Amino acid sequence: DQQVKQNSPSLSVQEGRISILNCDYTNSMFDYFLWYKKYPAEGPTFLISISSIKDKNEDGRFTVFLNKSAKHLSLHIVPSQPGDSAVYFCAASEFNDMRFGAGTRLTVKP
Amino acid sequence: KAGVTQTPRYLIKTRGQQVTLSCSPISGHRSVSWYQQTPGQGLQFLFEYFSETQRNKGNFPGRFSGRQFSNSRSEMNVSTLELGDSALYLCASSLAGVKGQETQYFGPGTRLLVL
Repeated sequence: DQQVKQNSPSLSVQEGRISILNCDYTNSMFDYFLWYKKYPAEGPTFLISISSIKDKNEDGRFTVFLNKSAKHLSLHIVPSQPGDSAVYFCAASEFNDMRFGAGTRLTVKP
Repeated sequence: KAGVTQTPRYLIKTRGQQVTLSCSPISGHRSVSWYQQTPGQGLQFLFEYFSETQRNKGNFPGRFSGRQFSNSRSEMNVSTLELGDSALYLCASSLAGVKGQETQYFGPGTRLLVL
């Protein structure tokens, strides 16, 4: 059961522009949402998270937006840099259960 | 502080064989979760162990099993391997396993190829 979906398998943007990665979920019991970044041959690393009681969380160039009514979250990267090229996984959790999306491969072109 | 380590990093097996993968969590972390990553499927949750007890389990067949030792190190075992078991197996550790509220740290993974 795909409780967390990332419908775009890939995204390509120009350096300096904004990257927007999207994620949808189905379980209204999820109370935390996270983004992980994964480089080849490495495990995913935590990037940013948001609690269900908030609608926005910012950390430097990264901002996560949560729309609970639409069960949708997005990650904005501004400005995008070539080093941001990686696979981004969206995740949602409820206590000790965490579900991941299929990932979006972001390519930032110089 | 040393990160999460997984051994072996690469493994080739044939159908019908069984395999054991190992994960050493970050010191002090008591929760270890296992995930299977395949192209297009993302990270599929296998199971989570906390204090030597399986606390949560995903939708995988009984061929997939695991255990956790008193030092929090964890192993997962796959018996009667199938071609579809070829994947990257990731383990992640955290302090208490309260996902979302605490950061999960992932190991580099074990890439399993079943021929």
